[in-house]
Amino acid sequence: TQLLEQSPQFLSIQEGENLTVYCNSSSVFSSLQWYRQEPGEGPVLLVTVVTGGEVKKLKRLTFQFGDARKDSSLHITAAQPGDTGLYLCAGASGTYKYIFGTGTRLKVLA
Amino acid sequence: NAGVTQTPKFQVLKTGQSMTLQCAQDMNHEYMSWYRQDPGMGLRLIHYSVGAGITDQGEVPNGYNVSRSTTEDFPLRLLSAAPSQTSVYFCASSYRTGGYDEQFFGPGTRLTVL
Repeated sequence: TQLLEQSPQFLSIQEGENLTVYCNSSSVFSSLQWYRQEPGEGPVLLVTVVTGGEVKKLKRLTFQFGDARKDSSLHITAAQPGDTGLYLCAGASGTYKYIFGTGTRLKVLA
Repeated sequence: NAGVTQTPKFQVLKTGQSMTLQCAQDMNHEYMSWYRQDPGMGLRLIHYSVGAGITDQGEVPNGYNVSRSTTEDFPLRLLSAAPSQTSVYFCASSYRTGGYDEQFFGPGTRLTVL
């Protein structure tokens, strides 16, 4: 069974701080996605990484796919209250089939 | 475009009752899926469909039934509700691009089974 573990589970930081969220597995994925979910809403896709070692930037968010395509990280620089939410990673386990991680709940305090 | 819509938003059922969760998309996506989200467990795939008339099981299909008669609609049926099916249910539609799938999620249905 493929599993994706995220750490930390919860994170509460002050506005302006930096943070990194990790997504780890023992399985290889053909691609990995990161989503953000607000309370009462569905997840929204932030980015997809496909190539081992790939780095993608989305404003203050930096996403990296591990060289072996088993892990990924999300780094947020100078966090803002608007970054608050549940961050989910999801690995492609086949065409149209995704395994989701357990999630990291981030709270950024003003 | 409305995107992916789900109804109802909230539902309370008694054990043994049946019901259908509705999902519709107006983006002409071939692929649609149903997930459930439970605390501390992320999203788990229940059933998916790669086109009208084609469905398949995901990770946790027991107790659920699906059909896909049109591209737009993908209802999820609970045959005999159990307390273990208390969860938030999300429908998603997606299209394939550059070797991966862009998934769009609906707002969810929060289901409580008493």
